[in-house]
Amino acid sequence: DGGITQSPKYLFRKEGQNVTLSCEQNLNHDAMYWYRQDPGQGLRLIYYSQIVNDFQKGDIAEGYSVSREKKESFPLTVTSAQKNPTAFYLCASLGYGYTFGSGTRLTVV
Amino acid sequence: KNEVEQSPQNLTAQEGEFITINCSYSVGISALHWLQQHPGGGIVSLFMLSSGKKKHGRLIATINIQEKHSSLHITASHPRDSAVYICAVTPVLGTSYGKLTFGQGTILTVHP
Repeated sequence: DGGITQSPKYLFRKEGQNVTLSCEQNLNHDAMYWYRQDPGQGLRLIYYSQIVNDFQKGDIAEGYSVSREKKESFPLTVTSAQKNPTAFYLCASLGYGYTFGSGTRLTVV
Repeated sequence: KNEVEQSPQNLTAQEGEFITINCSYSVGISALHWLQQHPGGGIVSLFMLSSGKKKHGRLIATINIQEKHSSLHITASHPRDSAVYICAVTPVLGTSYGKLTFGQGTILTVHP
């Protein structure tokens, strides 16, 4: 079945360390997105990519980086510059409609 | 003020009740989406609307473009409907390609 795979589901990191969240899709979608969700807030856009080798900053890109070397993959790196990285991260892709991954819950201690 | 506002923020119902969740938006849109998020966090797309009404099983979604308002209805609610329901809009084509703007979500709890 086609879909989006995010891994891992739960991730713990020490403060000051970079961490990369994986997002893989087998839907042949061109556009992919990373969103962040905090308790009591709507999802906010971090980065998006319309095609391979191209990506754009979203509303809250500071402290994050992405790459899009393959159509299927859009990994997100949370750098040590991100002041408050503990959150729930969702990856999505756009074809006829949106497909979402199951998310990664990142906790920085 | 948020571009997408949902009401209520929390909703508790008894099994079998008819439920309505409302969504108002203030920007020009090409589509409105209703999403469901279960406790594990994963999100499922329920509806994508640009006009009128859509129905899937016990779920009905309507949109009034002139009033910039949408409603999600659940008939004969069941405890398995307990989840967070999120309204999101796709801005008018040509701006911020495909980017969704989300409401804060409505937490629905249905008791047996």
